Amino acid sequence: GAGVSQSPSNKVTEKGKDVELRCDPISGHTALYWYRQRLGQGLEFLIYFQGNSAPDKSGLPSDRFSAERTGESVSTLTIQRTQQEDSAVYLCASSLEGSRNEQFFGPGTRLTVL
Amino acid sequence: AQSVTQLDSHVSVSEGTPVLLRCNYSSSYSPSLFWYVQHPNKGLQLLLKYTSAATLVKGINGFEAEFRKSETSFHLTKPSAHMSDAAEYFCVVSEMITGFQKLVFGTGTRLLVSP
Repeated sequence: GAGVSQSPSNKVTEKGKDVELRCDPISGHTALYWYRQRLGQGLEFLIYFQGNSAPDKSGLPSDRFSAERTGESVSTLTIQRTQQEDSAVYLCASSLEGSRNEQFFGPGTRLTVL
Repeated sequence: AQSVTQLDSHVSVSEGTPVLLRCNYSSSYSPSLFWYVQHPNKGLQLLLKYTSAATLVKGINGFEAEFRKSETSFHLTKPSAHMSDAAEYFCVVSEMITGFQKLVFGTGTRLLVSP
């Protein structure tokens, strides 16, 4: 596609349920990033994938958060046993290989935990 | 660790008047700095970036920013605001982690443009 896409655009869930968020990067982009944006705040880095290398998970806030990526394609971010403080917009970005390439962002998934 | 501080959570201007969005950074070495814009229900878009070349950086839509090392600032300006400029603006510094560029975002400034 022309840009990074994410699904669903909105997700409402109950506390304690698991959720899965999906990101489709721009074709040919080997690097993929997940960020979290809480209301009224900037983005927080969560995790980074580069090709088939081991991901950098240094930003994941707890072991309830995990992410997968198969090769250089789709990525899923999973949040287990959701808590109300997980409510946020989750943004995905992709870039060409190389540390100085521009990151292109998707529209995000707005997660609301009741 | 790198960080950025956006001094204003909201800035209101009238259409046709200048825009100034302030940003100060903290970095232990020569940083890469960016401004991103986020329109409602749209993804973040890169406005401009500074990567140690010219200190005055020109971006899209008439925006520019000046890197001032002595003041540790990277303020975003535009001579004349347009209604379509109303959005959230983020100042960003990059932190080089082994193998990738980690973006560290400020808290954002919401720009309101009135007719």
